[in-house]
This record gives sequence, C-alpha cells and structure tokens, in this order.
Amino acid sequence: EAQVTQNPRYLITVTGKKLTVTCSQNMNHEYMSWYRQDPGLGLRQIYYSMNVEVTDKGDVPEGYKVSRKEKRNFPLILESPSPNQTSLYFCASSLRQGSFLTFGAGSRLTVL
Amino acid sequence: KQEVTQIPAALSVPEGENLVLNCSFTDSAIYNLQWFRQDPGKGLTSLLLIQSSQREQTSGRLNASLDKSSGRSTLYIAASQPGDSATYLCAVRPRSNFGNEKLTFGTGTRLTIIP
Repeated sequence: EAQVTQNPRYLITVTGKKLTVTCSQNMNHEYMSWYRQDPGLGLRQIYYSMNVEVTDKGDVPEGYKVSRKEKRNFPLILESPSPNQTSLYFCASSLRQGSFLTFGAGSRLTVL
Repeated sequence: KQEVTQIPAALSVPEGENLVLNCSFTDSAIYNLQWFRQDPGKGLTSLLLIQSSQREQTSGRLNASLDKSSGRSTLYIAASQPGDSATYLCAVRPRSNFGNEKLTFGTGTRLTIIP
C-alpha cells in the first residue's frame, strides 16, 4: 500500500531531551516536507526536501533539523525540545512539483 | 504574504443536502489549489487539485471550482452523507516558489452532517 509512515504517533517528552520523528514513504517520491499544525494557526511548513541531500527551510524552521540521506526517509530532529514545540506534526510527500501531496497520519508531540 | 481564509469555521448540515465550502486567498499568483479532508486523529487526505489554468475539477460527489482573479475557490458536496463529516482544508501553492512544495493552508471548515 502506498503510504507515508510516521513514528512515533504519540510522544511525551521533557524539555531538552533530543528526539527524532521518523518519516518514510514507499512511493519513490522526490519531494518530502514537514508541517506542524496548531489550533488557530493551521498547518505551517517546517522544512522541505526536493531530493536526496537537498533540503531547505520552510516558514517555521527554528528549533528543528532535517536530513535526506535516502530518497524514502526524511526524519525531523528536535535537538533540544521546548514546550512551544508541542504540536501535531505531519510529514508529506509528492511525486513531482505541483502534484498531489500525500500526508502521513501525524505525530502528536508534547514537551513538558 | 499569501493568506488563506476559510469561512465559516464550522458548519452543520442535514444529511442529503448539497453544500458549499469556501476558500479565499489574497495573492492570485498561484500554481495550483488543493482541497483536503482531515478526520479526527488522522492525517490529511487529498481530495481535489486544481491547476491555476483550470476552472473546476470533479471527483464523484465533489466539485471544486477556482476563480483565480477574485481569489476564491469553492468545494461543492452533493447529497451529503454522515461520512462526509470532517474538517476540510484548502491550500494554495504559490507560483513564485515553484520547486518548493510549500503550501499555504487555511484553518479549515469543520463540517458535521446530521443524520
């Protein structure tokens, strides 16, 4: 089944404890990106990647890192999480520029 | 800066009725517009994508229109069903950022179909 898989789906952590949210797609998509969704603010892009080893900042990249060493994987790294990073995170991918975006099921992160 | 607005934030409609959801955007220089639905606790499901050169797209009971010059899109749902209950989001992809898949999302309309 074609899909975008995120893990973990739910996580509660404490301030400063490094964590990684993994994202994997099995559709050979070139483009991958991360969004966060917050009440009243909608979805905002954190980082995106146009292909392997090509990444760039979105609208709200502060406090996050990403890497794209393989086409299928695009992990989101929070080096030192803070409470304002408590949010619902989505990974998305698309085959090529301008095509349909496929979203993962989301990862709900709480930072205490 | 592109801003996308969806009004109303919530809508309740009796089952069987036809309905229209609205999406407005401030910058008409878009590459395309996409409609999604989001079910509670789940990710976003892509419904329809309209290229900037198109006026409408149809999929089953769904029809999306685009009026780029006025900065508006509508999602028409025919013969609504309880399974249509979800939050509907629209998102625009800017022409100026071609090569970046960044979408600007509206905050959505939460639709409830009353049996």
